[in-house]
Amino acid sequence: DTEVTQTPKHLVMGMTNKKSLKCEQHMGHRAMYWYKQKAKKPPELMFVYSYEKLSINESVPSRFSPECPNSSLLNLHLHALQPEDSALYLCASSQERDRVGEQYFGPGTRLTVT
Amino acid sequence: GNSVTQMEGPVTLSEEAFLTINCTYTATGYPSLFWYVQYPGEGLQLLLKATKADDKGSNKGFEATYRKETTSFHLEKGSVQVSDSAVYFCALRRTGGGNKLTFGTGTQLKVEL
Repeated sequence: DTEVTQTPKHLVMGMTNKKSLKCEQHMGHRAMYWYKQKAKKPPELMFVYSYEKLSINESVPSRFSPECPNSSLLNLHLHALQPEDSALYLCASSQERDRVGEQYFGPGTRLTVT
Repeated sequence: GNSVTQMEGPVTLSEEAFLTINCTYTATGYPSLFWYVQYPGEGLQLLLKATKADDKGSNKGFEATYRKETTSFHLEKGSVQVSDSAVYFCALRRTGGGNKLTFGTGTQLKVEL
């Protein structure tokens, strides 16, 4: 099983709402990632978790709050977002000790902030 | 720093045409190189990879060779199909890179009948 799943597929939220994105993998990977992708652009790294600990935060605004409850799950909590935060949010995972660093991506959550 | 440069798109080809998408990189040491493909409305899928100089990655008729002397990893396919229409991203992971990928800007491929 080389699948990374993400829910929901689409999300529309107002600027005062609180919502969460969820990501799950069952490949035994110990590194998980959140990326943000705007239209016609490459993915931009937001956060990296390694062994359930946050190891990289790419200076992401605090209105995005990641959480890794266990080695298979990754959440992204959203609060007080801005319209410019509308994008495709991608989750990925990889073997932490894999020298090749191959990342497997989920299908993404398309977020619209109104 | 690390960077990846891809040819500008969109690239429009007729079915069964030969495809080349150019990718060059700048990095210290010996990075691993990847091609990812993103079909409309989907996430990224790993297409192929190469981890050292002269390695050739291949998958689904696509191939790319890691050329250290020209710092290139060009994607090729001998005969494209309409179903190959997608955006293609070249990426690198530098040695000791902490699993961070550096992506190129992406190249959109459109294949017409």
